[in-house]
Amino acid sequence: AQSVTQLGSHVSVSEGALVLLRCNYSSSVPPYLFWYVQYPNQGLQLLLKYTSAATLVKGINGFEAEFKKSETSFHLTKPSAHMSDAAEYFCAVIRISSGSARQLTFGSGTQLTVLP
Amino acid sequence: DSGVTQTPKHLITATGQRVTLRCSPRSGDLSVYWYQQSLDQGLQFLIQYYNGEERAKGNILERFSAQQFPDLHSELNLSSLELGDSALYFCASSLAPDSSYEQYFGPGTRLTVT
Repeated sequence: AQSVTQLGSHVSVSEGALVLLRCNYSSSVPPYLFWYVQYPNQGLQLLLKYTSAATLVKGINGFEAEFKKSETSFHLTKPSAHMSDAAEYFCAVIRISSGSARQLTFGSGTQLTVLP
Repeated sequence: DSGVTQTPKHLITATGQRVTLRCSPRSGDLSVYWYQQSLDQGLQFLIQYYNGEERAKGNILERFSAQQFPDLHSELNLSSLELGDSALYFCASSLAPDSSYEQYFGPGTRLTVT
């Protein structure tokens, strides 16, 4: 079974500091991995995805993630945090069971707080 | 705005009741997915429909059912509601089958069972 684990349910950084949110995956097949962001009282927005092309993936709002097979990791980074980055972030892996069948399995989420 | 719409935004009901949540996918998307987000269970996949047919099933209770109509909108029916069913219910849509694997989420319906 495929799964993801997010290390750290809460992360605080100062404005302008590096953001690092950790995600490790478990999969017996090459995984397709995603990072989603959820702002308060909103739905989930796709930040970026890894689908076996380039291992360094760039997303929206200055975020990027690197797929490291040797470490089974897909950590999310941003060089300089902005107040507007405060939100909950979810790592996810997609299970493709047949043709059109898809389901996302999410990690438990990391709440990012940005301090002024 | 993802293009996925969900109604209602909020729903308050009593234990034992039945409710219907509605979802309209993005224009052109054939797959609809339902997810439940609660404090104790996190984000869980419930069920997927593709072009009117059930394609994948997750941790969906027998008291819950869903369907996708010919116009591709979907409804999630929750019956014999319990306090523990209080959660945020998300609908997502995608073109699937496709190679992007992206799912686009609606704003959710917050269900409160009292």
